[in-house]
Amino acid sequence: DQQVKQNSPSLSVQEGRISILNCDYTNSMFDYFLWYKKYPAEGPTFLISISSIKDKNEDGRFTVFLNKSAKHLSLHIVPSQPGDSAVYFCAARRYNFNKFYFGSGTKLNVKP
Amino acid sequence: DAGVTQSPTHLIKTRGQHVTLRCSPISGHKSVSWYQQVLGQGPQFIFQYYEKEERGRGNFPDRFSARQFPNYSSELNVNALLLGDSALYLCASSRDLSTQYFGPGTRLTVL
Repeated sequence: DQQVKQNSPSLSVQEGRISILNCDYTNSMFDYFLWYKKYPAEGPTFLISISSIKDKNEDGRFTVFLNKSAKHLSLHIVPSQPGDSAVYFCAARRYNFNKFYFGSGTKLNVKP
Repeated sequence: DAGVTQSPTHLIKTRGQHVTLRCSPISGHKSVSWYQQVLGQGPQFIFQYYEKEERGRGNFPDRFSARQFPNYSSELNVNALLLGDSALYLCASSRDLSTQYFGPGTRLTVL
């Protein structure tokens, strides 16, 4: 049962433009959401998180938006840089359960 | 500060064998979680330990077991290996039970 879904396996964006990565979830008990970036042969690197009591969190070029009514999460990267090219995973934690659910990832390619 | 470390980096085993993977968390982190990642999928949760106690378990068979030591390092054990156990095994540590920081992973190949 895939409770966190990333429906776009890949995304290609021009350098300097905005990258928008999307994530949908099904479990309304999720209370904490995270985005990770993964380069080949490395473990996922934490990027940014958001609690379910907020609808937006910003950290430099990265902004995460949470729409609880739509059960939708998005990551905006502005401006996109070639070094941002990687696989991005969204993850969610269920309230009171020590378990994180990950999406299948979106491969972002930022073209110079 | 050093990040999460895992050993070994790569491992090749044959079906039916046993394997032990090791993880050292970031200094000061008391929680360790284990994940399995197969190609084309996101990490799948296996176990979480906090203060040496199991706090969460994913949908994996009893062939998978883990433990956490007094220094908060952890081992993941897999018995009776199957071809389908071939994957990248990731360890993540956290100070509490929120944001997790991942190690580089152990690539296990079962022949």
